[in-house]
Amino acid sequence: GAVVSQHPSRVICKSGTSVKIECRSLDFQATTMFWYRQFPKKSLMLMATSNEGSKATYEQGVEKDKFLINHASLTLSTLTVTSAHPEDSSFYICSAIAYSLGEGFYEQYFGPGTRLTVT
Amino acid sequence: DQQVKQNSPSLSVQEGRISILNCDYTNSMFDYFLWYKKYPAEGPTFLISISSIKDKNEDGRFTVFLNKSAKHLSLHIVPSQPGDSAVYFCAASAPDGGSQGNLIFGKGTKLSVKP
Repeated sequence: GAVVSQHPSRVICKSGTSVKIECRSLDFQATTMFWYRQFPKKSLMLMATSNEGSKATYEQGVEKDKFLINHASLTLSTLTVTSAHPEDSSFYICSAIAYSLGEGFYEQYFGPGTRLTVT
Repeated sequence: DQQVKQNSPSLSVQEGRISILNCDYTNSMFDYFLWYKKYPAEGPTFLISISSIKDKNEDGRFTVFLNKSAKHLSLHIVPSQPGDSAVYFCAASAPDGGSQGNLIFGKGTKLSVKP
């Protein structure tokens, strides 16, 4: 099946600094990628939809200037957490859309996630 | 308002028995449903899906049942194995949501399969 990678898998940063997380589709091109955040014992929450070559679409309540998303190519989307604070500590997961010929539908493949800890 | 609900936060089953995970939804526009399995500190892994034109989809030990009138779906795992222990998320998408891939997730059910 399709593979999505994330880098780094874990990152610890100091409060006030910025952190960039990369999401790559390894064996397919993805015009659309998604960024999710998982809070402890809670569901995955969609943060934004990343569209190649255009601005990301953010969900209500997600600060655009804090969570910068760049989808510069068909295989790479980046999420930059700017001026990080301890409350930004979370598990961030990206996903990419691939068209499944067998299903005749779009399948969503998830990356392994990035654990961000802000001290 | 939660559109996809998994009312059981946890489930414990004996190895070899059947595991039944339930999911309810409120939006009648949803037409595609998926189950994901997630281990701690990992991204979700796609397990099985079903479109609204079907009421059952089977893949090996995993079967998903859809009851559209009740807006309810369930995942059956038979026989359950210790390696199945994970958090299972139910997700749904609306028409054209498939092309966008915008899924709405439930809160998950933690399955523990005891040897």
